[in-house]
Amino acid sequence: DQQVKQNSPSLSVQEGRISILNCDYTNSMFDYFLWYKKYPAEGPTFLISISSIKDKNEDGRFTVFLNKSAKHLSLHIVPSQPGDSAVYFCAASAQGTDKLIFGTGTRLQVFP
Amino acid sequence: EAQVTQNPRYLITVTGKKLTVTCSQNMNHEYMSWYRQDPGLGLRQIYYSMNVEVTDKGDVPEGYKVSRKEKRNFPLILESPSPNQTSLYFCASRGTENTEAFFGQGTRLTVV
Repeated sequence: DQQVKQNSPSLSVQEGRISILNCDYTNSMFDYFLWYKKYPAEGPTFLISISSIKDKNEDGRFTVFLNKSAKHLSLHIVPSQPGDSAVYFCAASAQGTDKLIFGTGTRLQVFP
Repeated sequence: EAQVTQNPRYLITVTGKKLTVTCSQNMNHEYMSWYRQDPGLGLRQIYYSMNVEVTDKGDVPEGYKVSRKEKRNFPLILESPSPNQTSLYFCASRGTENTEAFFGQGTRLTVV
């Protein structure tokens, strides 16, 4: 059973526009959520995170929104740049464990 | 430089020949984990460790072993590799709960 779901395998966005990547989860015990970016032949790199006590966290061009009632989070990238083209994974964890559960990833392509 | 180092980066082996993938971190992190990445399945946790001599199964532990004799090292052992263990493997470390995990560069394993 997939506890963290990214239903869009790919997304294509024009440079300068907003990219919105979505993630849904099923486990109500999750209290910490992260987004990772992955380029080919490299390990995932941390992008931004949010605790369940917040509904928004912002870092430069990246903003993560959390809707606990809907068990949904999203990553907004504004403005999108060609260098943002990568696979994005959302991940979630529950307090008291080191189990980080990842989604299946969304491949973002930003074209000029 | 803070990093997680995995070796080797690439490995081709034959079915049944025991192998070890090493992982080392220089951040004095308590938590370490192993993941495998497969197409369409995202990153799945194999094993994790919350401290020295403390390890626990992740979502896909079958066919793998780990040990945590020192804080900095967390090797992944395949006692009798099989072709279905052909995958891209990542080691990660975290300082505490609710912090980001740092990933190694990955090990691409092919079992023939």
